Amino acid sequence: RKEVEQDPGPFNVPEGATVAFNCTYSNSASQSFFWYRQDCRKEPKLLMSVYSSGNEDGRFTAQLNRASQYISLLIRDSKLSDSATYLCVVNRSGGYNKLIFGAGTRLAVHP
Amino acid sequence: DTGVSQDPRHKITKRGQNVTFRCDPISEHNRLYWYRQTLGQGPEFLTYFQNEAQLEKSRLLSDRFSAERPKGSFSTLEIQRTEQGDSAMYLCASSLAVSGNTIYFGEGSWLTVV
Repeated sequence: RKEVEQDPGPFNVPEGATVAFNCTYSNSASQSFFWYRQDCRKEPKLLMSVYSSGNEDGRFTAQLNRASQYISLLIRDSKLSDSATYLCVVNRSGGYNKLIFGAGTRLAVHP
Repeated sequence: DTGVSQDPRHKITKRGQNVTFRCDPISEHNRLYWYRQTLGQGPEFLTYFQNEAQLEKSRLLSDRFSAERPKGSFSTLEIQRTEQGDSAMYLCASSLAVSGNTIYFGEGSWLTVV
């Protein structure tokens, strides 16, 4: 079993739709949590950190449930430019950034 | 551009040949990481340096792989006797030595072993 599990998708949604991605992680010692975005054949880029209290950045909302070891990302009012792979990421180490990535969920937003 | 730079960006090599990738981190970053990403998977941690010291190596880093950061600045990742299974994107990243600090990825070096 992988340490970070995600639904690979693809999620095909029309512009303006709301879409939610889920992720589970198995290591309860994980320290911090993130969503990264990766465009085709490009490097991953940090989208947002994820906190237990939930956090929002414009159209994006992330949530962490430590008890269930579950992370979510909600994208409202999807844009064509949101089409990408969304990687769920946990930082296992408290001392440095040993990031453990999920395999990613592909999102395709169509007109 | 003062981001993480990687060279070469693309490399096609024959099975059995050696290849070397170079990474130049963001100048003030003393932590440097190597990851590998294969098609349909997320990046997998390979190794980590703080300054010139290699502090952790993944079991993915077989004895054909070696990484160095001799002066605590740029780093090299060498793969000896390449195999087709080594075909992947090799990502370098860097960060400051502050717990939780954001890491920044380079654009990656694509390796195709034929």
